[in-house]
Amino acid sequence: QKEVEQDPGPLSVPEGAIVSLNCTYSNSAFQYFMWYRQYSRKGPELLMYTYSSGNKEDGRFTAQVDKSSKYISLFIRDSQPSDSATYLCAMNRGSARQLTFGSGTQLTVLP
Amino acid sequence: DGGITQSPKYLFRKEGQNVTLSCEQNLNHDAMYWYRQDPGQGLRLIYYSQIVNDFQKGDIAEGYSVSREKKESFPLTVTSAQKNPTAFYLCASSTFDHEQFFGPGTRLTVL
Repeated sequence: QKEVEQDPGPLSVPEGAIVSLNCTYSNSAFQYFMWYRQYSRKGPELLMYTYSSGNKEDGRFTAQVDKSSKYISLFIRDSQPSDSATYLCAMNRGSARQLTFGSGTQLTVLP
Repeated sequence: DGGITQSPKYLFRKEGQNVTLSCEQNLNHDAMYWYRQDPGQGLRLIYYSQIVNDFQKGDIAEGYSVSREKKESFPLTVTSAQKNPTAFYLCASSTFDHEQFFGPGTRLTVL
């Protein structure tokens, strides 16, 4: 079983929809949680970075962490065609810098 | 502009050849990383380095080698011992916190 599980999709939504992307994990030592966006044939770019449980909002993006359920989410409001990309969750333990990644969810926002 | 550069963007290797992928950063980050990305598998850690002249194996180090002679540079050599090297290779760097920033990637193809 992988330490981090992520539904690969693909996920297609109409423009303006609310998108929910999720990851589950098995290692309770994970403390730092990140979401990366990766456009085709490009390097991932960091979208959101959270520590421990709770919510963090940045513009149209909200990251949510529920450590009791070992479940993290990324919500995208008012989705745009430019949000079409693969979204990767990543996490690590407090004492280590190595990230463990989910396999990525491919999102398409249709105009 | 600060950032991470990787070269070349595309690289072709014949069977039995060693090839070296370049990664340079001018962000003054201490730590640098190499990941491999295959379709549907997310990112897997090959090697990482937290300081100059020191590096550690990641999850899939076999068939790869690295050096870290300068803070700014972390080249990756894909040796002939790597049996399935065709993949997208990503370099990243970070400071003492946990946010990793990625370069644009190198796509390696074995002919």
